[in-house]
Amino acid sequence: GAGVSQTPSNKVTEKGKYVELRCDPISGHTALYWYRQSLGQGPEFLIYFQGTGAADDSGLPNDRFFAVRPEGSVSTLKIQRTERGDSAVYLCASSLSPLPKAKNIQYFGAGTRLSVL
Amino acid sequence: AQSVSQHNHHVILSEAASLELGCNYSYGGTVNLFWYVQYPGQHLQLLLKYFSGDPLVKGIKGFEAEFIKSKFSFNLRKPSVQWSDTAEYFCAVSPNSGGYQKVTFGTGTKLQVIP
Repeated sequence: GAGVSQTPSNKVTEKGKYVELRCDPISGHTALYWYRQSLGQGPEFLIYFQGTGAADDSGLPNDRFFAVRPEGSVSTLKIQRTERGDSAVYLCASSLSPLPKAKNIQYFGAGTRLSVL
Repeated sequence: AQSVSQHNHHVILSEAASLELGCNYSYGGTVNLFWYVQYPGQHLQLLLKYFSGDPLVKGIKGFEAEFIKSKFSFNLRKPSVQWSDTAEYFCAVSPNSGGYQKVTFGTGTKLQVIP
């Protein structure tokens, strides 16, 4: 597609449930990033993939959060035992390559708004 | 680790007024700097970027930003705003070092332009 696609656009779930959020990056982009944006805040880094591997997962808040990118394209962010504090907009971005810098422009999707009741 | 401060949380201007949004970063080394914009109902998009060279950077839609190293600042400016500039603006920074550079965003400034 022309841009980064995220599905669903909205997800409402109950506390304790499991959710999966999907990101389809721009075709040919090898780098993929997940961010979380809480109300009144800027995007907060969660995890970075280069190809199929998670090169930096230092932003994942705890072990309830996990992400995969098995074929180096589509990525899924998985949240187990959701809590009300997980409610936020989850953003995905992709870039052509982390290097050189001129190619490290991140293009963002519209996000998934997660509401945990 | 790097951090970014945007001191103006909400700015209201009349059309044709000049704009300056503040951005200060904290990091001990050299940095890449970005301004992203999010128009109502749309996704984040890049407005302009600084990697190296001329510290005065021109972006889309008449925006510019100046990197002042001594002040750790990267303020966004526009001489004359339009109603269509109403949006939220995010400053971001990443370390300018070899390999992958993690991007850190500020908390954003909501700009409201009154016709």
